[in-house]
Amino acid sequence: TQLLEQSPQFLSIQEGENLTVYCNSSSVFSSLQWYRQEPGEGPVLLVTVVTGGEVKKLKRLTFQFGDARKDSSLHITAAQPGDTGLYLCAYRDYNFNKFYFGSGTKLNVKP
Amino acid sequence: ETGVTQTPRHLVMGMTNKKSLKCEQHLGHNAMYWYKQSAKKPLELMFVYSLEERVENNSVPSRFSPECPNSSHLFLHLHTLQPEDSALYLCASSQEGTGLYYGYTFGSGTRLTVV
Repeated sequence: TQLLEQSPQFLSIQEGENLTVYCNSSSVFSSLQWYRQEPGEGPVLLVTVVTGGEVKKLKRLTFQFGDARKDSSLHITAAQPGDTGLYLCAYRDYNFNKFYFGSGTKLNVKP
Repeated sequence: ETGVTQTPRHLVMGMTNKKSLKCEQHLGHNAMYWYKQSAKKPLELMFVYSLEERVENNSVPSRFSPECPNSSHLFLHLHTLQPEDSALYLCASSQEGTGLYYGYTFGSGTRLTVV
């Protein structure tokens, strides 16, 4: 099992601020996924990044896959209280066709 | 109904009880999963069912027993649990064989408390 490290573990910011969270590993991945889990709910898939250096945008969220495909970042512009939740990155193990998750970054956006 | 539905949402059980968690997916997916989510730990994969056959166990204690009667339904039978088994149990489904971009659809989870 390859380890995904997410940082920071916790982040509490004011509405309107920008933030970046990170997902790092020493291993190379064919793809990485980002999920958001709101309190009391299951995780929801946000994006899959596949190509080294790839940048994907989802409204105010910008996802980047590192050139070497070992790391990824999520940048949120002008955070809103609705962005509050646990952000998880995950990689797919092709040998067993399943996903492994990092511990997540818990984000709280205060109004 | 759409998506992945889990019942019950909350469950409190004693260590000598027997209970079952239920998961139903309405997406036509061909794989279903049970995950355990504890505080300060990554999501832990417990069981994988692909085309209704269990393909991965991950050394989960025998007090957890999965059942997948068809591609839409998944159960997790619980007996003689320990307090450390208290956690959020998440069910997920996916359509395998559709390439790099497929991912999981999760249910809302069952919050289990063992007393």
